[in-house]
Amino acid sequence: AQTVTQSQPEMSVQEAETVTLSCTYDTSENNYYLFWYKQPPSRQMILVIRQEAYKQQNATENRFSVNFQKAAKSFSLKISDSQLGDTAMYFCAPRLAGKLIFGQGTTLQVKP
Amino acid sequence: DAMVIQNPRYQVTQFGKPVTLSCSQTLNHNVMYWYQQKSSQAPKLLFHYYDKDFNNEADTPDNFQSRRPNTSFCFLDIRSPGLGDAAMYLCATSRQTSGVYHTQYFGPGTRLTVL
Repeated sequence: AQTVTQSQPEMSVQEAETVTLSCTYDTSENNYYLFWYKQPPSRQMILVIRQEAYKQQNATENRFSVNFQKAAKSFSLKISDSQLGDTAMYFCAPRLAGKLIFGQGTTLQVKP
Repeated sequence: DAMVIQNPRYQVTQFGKPVTLSCSQTLNHNVMYWYQQKSSQAPKLLFHYYDKDFNNEADTPDNFQSRRPNTSFCFLDIRSPGLGDAAMYLCATSRQTSGVYHTQYFGPGTRLTVL
């Protein structure tokens, strides 16, 4: 069975600081896609960043970047210069066996 | 703006009374998904349509059905809601072409309360 583990149920960070959310997964697939989604309290799930497993270069979107270690099956999300609006639940979701497999989520609180 | 729309945003129903949730999209995506998300948990895929082809997850209860009358619309029918079906229901869409998978985009969700 495909599994995704986010080992940090809750995290907090001071505004303007950097935080890293971890994610590991299990798969025997070689080519796949990985995603981080953000779900603010009572609001819509939105895409943060996407990575293709065949690409060695780590994806970056403004203040968000990933550290993708394919051999280790690790896909962490780094948020730089944290902002209050980054407060949300973050889900790691690799696409495995033809569907998104969501981790249990990390609740991130950005403190002023 | 192209988007995924879900109606209603909040739905209250009675135990055992059928309810229908709707999803529409202006993205012209060929794949539509329904997820169930309970409080502070990860979304759980119920089923999806690849064009007109319906794909049910093995552990989705028979109580849950879906219809996709055209590309733009998809409905989730809960035939006899139980208290355990109270949750947020998320609709998502994606464009999938041969060998290439594209990002899923989510609607705002419908929060279902069962009394």
